[in-house]
Amino acid sequence: SQTIHQWPATLVQPVGSPLSLECTVEGTSNPNLYWYRQAAGRGLQLLFYSVGIGQISSEVPQNLSASRPQDRQFILSSKKLLLSDSGFYLCAWSAGSGTEAFFGQGTRLTVV
Amino acid sequence: TQLLEQSPQFLSIQEGENLTVYCNSSSVFSSLQWYRQEPGEGPVLLVTVVTGGEVKKLKRLTFQFGDARKDSSLHITAAQPGDTGLYLCAGVGNNAGNMLTFGGGTRLMVKP
Repeated sequence: SQTIHQWPATLVQPVGSPLSLECTVEGTSNPNLYWYRQAAGRGLQLLFYSVGIGQISSEVPQNLSASRPQDRQFILSSKKLLLSDSGFYLCAWSAGSGTEAFFGQGTRLTVV
Repeated sequence: TQLLEQSPQFLSIQEGENLTVYCNSSSVFSSLQWYRQEPGEGPVLLVTVVTGGEVKKLKRLTFQFGDARKDSSLHITAAQPGDTGLYLCAGVGNNAGNMLTFGGGTRLMVKP
């Protein structure tokens, strides 16, 4: 069966520090991968998606970047965090565009 | 950009009451998904509706896709405390390669 792992679960980082969140998927090949950010109790904003290794599409301009170094690995990064980067970050995968999305447990990032 | 508006944003009801959550857009979607999210976790798919006018039932939950495929509703009968959570609708655009567009979510609290 397919599983998705996202870590860490919580993270407190000072302003200006770098960020690296990692997400890995098991049990499937060539998945679509996504990074979402969610404001408290609200909907999901798509940040990045990838349909293959090295292929990254950004939905919104921001202080973050994403990379897909391997088929089932998706990384969210920042060189210098801002206070506004605080939030709940969710990684997800799907078999194709518009199909069911399977989400990781999320990372609660607090920038102080 | 396709937008989905959910209403109400918050709903607090007593156990046993009925409720309806709405998901509206001015855009046409090829399909629409409903997710439920617990605090600190990722959303989990409840149902996907594809055909205009389609009605799907999942125990006490009834999902309907509008005839024009621009809107959807979720009706819960005899709500229980276990139904508490964030309910998210997500639409799939008509164009190939379109990502899921999420609504802002409805936070439901069912009091015993």
